[in-house]
Amino acid sequence: QQQVKQSPQSLIVQKGGISIINCAYENTAFDYFPWYQQFPGKGPALLIAIRPDVSEKKEGRFTISFNKSAKQFSLHIMDSQPGDSATYFCAASNTGGFKTIFGAGTRLFVKA
Amino acid sequence: KAGVTQTPRYLIKTRGQQVTLSCSPISGHRSVSWYQQTPGQGLQFLFEYFSETQRNKGNFPGRFSGRQFSNSRSEMNVSTLELGDSALYLCASSTGPSDGGADTQYFGPGTRLTVL
Repeated sequence: QQQVKQSPQSLIVQKGGISIINCAYENTAFDYFPWYQQFPGKGPALLIAIRPDVSEKKEGRFTISFNKSAKQFSLHIMDSQPGDSATYFCAASNTGGFKTIFGAGTRLFVKA
Repeated sequence: KAGVTQTPRYLIKTRGQQVTLSCSPISGHRSVSWYQQTPGQGLQFLFEYFSETQRNKGNFPGRFSGRQFSNSRSEMNVSTLELGDSALYLCASSTGPSDGGADTQYFGPGTRLTVL
């Protein structure tokens, strides 16, 4: 119930292509879904986040699509660049829970 | 504003020893969470503190403990170290609204602990 399942584990995309990472959750009490980006030697940093009252949120080249009925959400990186090569984590939390559950992470490599 | 700082950045210990890691949150942030990151298990939640009170705890043995001080700085302690405790330990801070509303966490660079 507390798990967030993330796929794929790793992803290789050509420069200019679209990177898509998917996550699924079970706990319907979750009400905040952030995505974090982590570069080697650094801590994760917030990339973009969504709440379940909207189905899509876009910030620059990054878009979250959210499907409440399917309990799934995904990150789309448009026009992927080599600088996007990093590990991406989806996460979920709920009001009053005082903790965030993270997916296992996706290592993205964008080929120049 | 300065970010989350963690000390030390690297630590090497032997089995059976104990270790204390420190985290200074962003100024004004009252919530501090700790995570263990390993290649096989990803980011695992250890515990969260707000105003010196532990509000939630993950599924880790009692060897893992933490505390938060009145200035919001936090420490975590691992006693009787095991080889499997080798990991990157991350601290994250947030404003941590007292009503428990979810908000953004800001991570430090982590402490890399190696247990030999």
